[in-house]
Amino acid sequence: NAGVTQTPKFQVLKTGQSMTLQCAQDMNHEYMSWYRQDPGMGLRLIHYSVGAGITDQGEVPNGYNVSRSTTEDFPLRLLSAAPSQTSVYFCASKGPGVGEQFFGPGTRLTVL
Amino acid sequence: QQQVKQSPQSLIVQKGGISIINCAYENTAFDYFPWYQQFPGKGPALLIAIRPDVSEKKEGRFTISFNKSAKQFSLHIMDSQPGDSATYFCAARRSYNTDKLIFGTGTRLQVFP
Repeated sequence: NAGVTQTPKFQVLKTGQSMTLQCAQDMNHEYMSWYRQDPGMGLRLIHYSVGAGITDQGEVPNGYNVSRSTTEDFPLRLLSAAPSQTSVYFCASKGPGVGEQFFGPGTRLTVL
Repeated sequence: QQQVKQSPQSLIVQKGGISIINCAYENTAFDYFPWYQQFPGKGPALLIAIRPDVSEKKEGRFTISFNKSAKQFSLHIMDSQPGDSATYFCAARRSYNTDKLIFGTGTRLQVFP
């Protein structure tokens, strides 16, 4: 099993550009989520999904869109990148019941 | 507002010493308290977790102490090793249905030989 995979590992964007951060998991987990990590802020939840076709907002959803068409994939879209979105982005998935959230290796995004 | 407050921000410990990281929470509806360990360039990984009906949980050199009345919990790393140098995050789960985790701000631990 590959676990949770994220692409790309690094990305540099100009203000106003759009892009999609990819996330995939091969553990058949229903729950998937996106976090951003900033120095001194910990990890903050952007969006999450409890299954295919179901998504909801987290703590910091503004500027980001998500969709969940399959159990495996949960892409995060930035429609018009802003410097405030410079961060490290982590995708995570979780199986049923009380348990571990498995994190991907992260995408480091810089918006100039 | 910060629902899970973590301290200290950074910690330097001698090899063999005890590392202690503290967290406090406000929401009494939290029902699951995990600690995650993150090495540079990697994603966080679950280290140890506790439910509020237990006051202490130990796994090897890692122990969580939980004080429900004070709404505080802490991570103790006994016999700290240079390989423990990492950033540690406490977290709390809001509710059973959504599994949303609220993270603390993190503690960077450095263990020197």
